[in-house]
Amino acid sequence: GENVEQHPSTLSVQEGDSAVIKCTYSDSASNYFPWYKQELGKGPQLIIDIRSNVGEKKDQRIAVTLNKTAKHFSLHITETQPEDSAVYFCAASGYSGAGSYQLTFGKGTKLSVIP
Amino acid sequence: DGGITQSPKYLFRKEGQNVTLSCEQNLNHDAMYWYRQDPGQGLRLIYYSQIVNDFQKGDIAEGYSVSREKKESFPLTVTSAQKNPTAFYLCASSFRGSNTEAFFGQGTRLTVV
Repeated sequence: GENVEQHPSTLSVQEGDSAVIKCTYSDSASNYFPWYKQELGKGPQLIIDIRSNVGEKKDQRIAVTLNKTAKHFSLHITETQPEDSAVYFCAASGYSGAGSYQLTFGKGTKLSVIP
Repeated sequence: DGGITQSPKYLFRKEGQNVTLSCEQNLNHDAMYWYRQDPGQGLRLIYYSQIVNDFQKGDIAEGYSVSREKKESFPLTVTSAQKNPTAFYLCASSFRGSNTEAFFGQGTRLTVV
């Protein structure tokens, strides 16, 4: 099955600096890579996603890059703000048969933005 | 408003008792999922269902059971056979047959004493 590794597990940055979180995956058949943000006591929410036919995607201060050959993808947050503080999860998804897809998650990165 | 609702938010049970967590969605999604979240462990898949009256075990199904009698509902029962039931449980749903976003509920924190 798929295995997703995520680093670092914790990350502290000064407000206004950039933050980068990296993930690797093992199954070359995976073709969908979402990133979720989870605030304390709440469920994860999708913040950006990328498919394997695209190398980079950007949405305002957030960007994701994908290197299919190396099987790794990264989340980039620029001009960080205190409200960016949360736990971020990467995931990889591929076809698992019988019309179904499964998401495999990394273990999460706790991002702290220091004012 | 469309969404996915888990209830209750907090649940306390005595050891040895079964407990059922509720998950309801009105997004017209065919697929529903249950995840368990422990500190430092990420999200681990317990059970998933692609259509009504059908479900499959995930990576950590032992000690859990589910049912899918209605498209909108996917309750999870934590049985007394689950050795470490205290955790944060998350339900999610998505469209079946397409690799798209999964929507999550707000979670249920189960504490077994």
